[in-house]
Amino acid sequence: NAGVMQNPRHLVRRRGQEARLRCSPMKGHSHVYWYRQLPEEGLKFMVYLQKENIIDESGMPKERFSAEFPKEGPSILRIQQVVRGDSAAYFCASSPIGLAKNIQYFGAGTRLSVL
Amino acid sequence: GQQVMQIPQYQHVQEGEDFTTYCNSSTTLSNIQWYKQRPGGHPVFLIQLVKSGEVKKQKRLTFQFGEAKKNSSLHITATQTTDVGTYFCAGPGDTDKLIFGTGTRLQVFP
Repeated sequence: NAGVMQNPRHLVRRRGQEARLRCSPMKGHSHVYWYRQLPEEGLKFMVYLQKENIIDESGMPKERFSAEFPKEGPSILRIQQVVRGDSAAYFCASSPIGLAKNIQYFGAGTRLSVL
Repeated sequence: GQQVMQIPQYQHVQEGEDFTTYCNSSTTLSNIQWYKQRPGGHPVFLIQLVKSGEVKKQKRLTFQFGEAKKNSSLHITATQTTDVGTYFCAGPGDTDKLIFGTGTRLQVFP
């Protein structure tokens, strides 16, 4: 049973370019969460999605950032016109439904570097 | 908004010494979870506590959930270099998302 898959593992972008981060949840998981982690800091919640629905995007910056989780395919976190301050590790996590719904399984992350 | 704080922020110990990190929530939690993140790695789920006053053990790790369900602790007995990493507690917020604590980074010197 494959874990949460994120790609790419490392992404380098120049200022002003777009970054697309992908996340495939564990099989059977219908909830996806995105977090941002700056070096030496904690995990900051960004967005919580279920299939075709954004449940909570209270942690997402209002501009340039968007997320989706389509009916088919991975969840995508999209950052438009990246700036140096976007450099961070972006982790995706998924969780099952039911009693264990709060337990989150993390992917290996995407390390974004903005030059 | 809901906040989850951890102390200490950093802890350096000699191998074989004990280590404890404390987690405090601004609100009552239905459950508390603990995660470990190795340097350069990703958070890995360790355990979930649900009942008031609950204590669970995993080998040298002891987890406790406070009676008021607003605080928790993780104690490691006789630390080893493999224990190095950052330990996060997390509690459910509104909309089922998890609110992660600020983390405690543990360094173990051989």
